Amino acid sequence: AQSVTQLDSHVSVSEGTPVLLRCNYSSSYSPSLFWYVQHPNKGLQLLLKYTSAATLVKGINGFEAEFKKSETSFHLTKPSAHMSDAAEYFCVVADQTGANNLFFGTGTRLTVIP
Amino acid sequence: DAGVTQSPTHLIKTRGQQVTLRCSPISGHKSVSWYQQVLGQGPQFIFQYYEKEERGRGNFPDRFSARQFPNYSSELNVNALLLGDSALYLCASTLSGGPFYEQYFGPGTRLTVT
Repeated sequence: AQSVTQLDSHVSVSEGTPVLLRCNYSSSYSPSLFWYVQHPNKGLQLLLKYTSAATLVKGINGFEAEFKKSETSFHLTKPSAHMSDAAEYFCVVADQTGANNLFFGTGTRLTVIP
Repeated sequence: DAGVTQSPTHLIKTRGQQVTLRCSPISGHKSVSWYQQVLGQGPQFIFQYYEKEERGRGNFPDRFSARQFPNYSSELNVNALLLGDSALYLCASTLSGGPFYEQYFGPGTRLTVT
């Protein structure tokens, strides 16, 4: 079975400082992992995805994530937070047993302080 | 190109009633998935349809049903509504039915059951 655990329900950073959102995964297969962002009253947007190519994945808006198999982690980072980054972030693992369904974490709310 | 569209945007129903939610996928996409997002939680997989056939079903009661039409649009039906069905219902479309295709989410339908 696949699952993800987001280690922080809420992260608060100052504008211009680094962002770190933590995620651990559990998967019986070589996982497909994603980070999605959800702004208030907007749909989910894909930030980046890992599908067993390079372990360091670059996404949109300056975000990147590193797949670490030894630590079963897929943490999301950004060097410098912007006010527009304030949103809910979801770490996601894909079901690879047949259907194309996604298993979402519980989410991390990122607050950016001016 | 138009993204995934969902209707209605908001809906208020009474316990025991039935509701139908609609989704139109991105042009050319043949697979549609439905997710339920309860306030404060990550989305949970309900159904996946590909080429008008059910490909996967999450852990939801039989009160939930769905179908996909020849034009690949989809409807989600929920019977005998309970207060706990209040949630944001998200539709996602994918080019194909396999586990490695990116899912594109619509803005969702917010259902309130009173």
